[in-house]
Amino acid sequence: SQTIHQWPATLVQPVGSPLSLECTVEGTSNPNLYWYRQAAGRGLQLLFYSVGIGQISSEVPQNLSASRPQDRQFILSSKKLLLSDSGFYLCAWSGLSGRGNQPQHFGDGTRLSIL
Amino acid sequence: QKEVEQDPGPLSVPEGAIVSLNCTYSNSAFQYFMWYRQYSRKGPELLMYTYSSGNKEDGRFTAQVDKSSKYISLFIRDSQPSDSATYLCAPSPMDSSYKLIFGSGTRLLVRP
Repeated sequence: SQTIHQWPATLVQPVGSPLSLECTVEGTSNPNLYWYRQAAGRGLQLLFYSVGIGQISSEVPQNLSASRPQDRQFILSSKKLLLSDSGFYLCAWSGLSGRGNQPQHFGDGTRLSIL
Repeated sequence: QKEVEQDPGPLSVPEGAIVSLNCTYSNSAFQYFMWYRQYSRKGPELLMYTYSSGNKEDGRFTAQVDKSSKYISLFIRDSQPSDSATYLCAPSPMDSSYKLIFGSGTRLLVRP
């Protein structure tokens, strides 16, 4: 069966520091990968998605970047964190289908606090 | 107008009640409809996945889609305290973008 791992679960960082969040998927090949941010009491905002190694699409202009160095690894980064980067970051994967969209499956997230 | 709207709740019901959670959307291109359950401090968990209009049942859960009204419902029968969570609807268009558009979620509390 497929599993998705995110770490760390919780992170406290000072303003201006760099960031690296990692997500890996097991049990599937060539998944679509996604990074979301969820603000308190709000829905999920798609930040990036990737359909293959080195292929990254950005949904919103921001202080963050994403990379996919391996088929089942997705990394969210920042060179200098802002206070507004605080939030709950979720990684997700979906399979490929020849007919429309496949549901997405989420990791347990990283709660990021910027001080 | 938001693409997907949900009443934020909280919706508080006694154990054993039938729960109705609803979602409206504005984009007629949405063809796939998903419901996720999210416990506090956890990632969303897929509950139901339906395509086009009609009903789909899975155990105590029934998803209903009315595309003519752009209205989506999730019914929970015999609700349990363990059903207490936030429920997110997520419609998606049939295209190659693989994007889901999430509602902000309805918080459900099932009282023992």
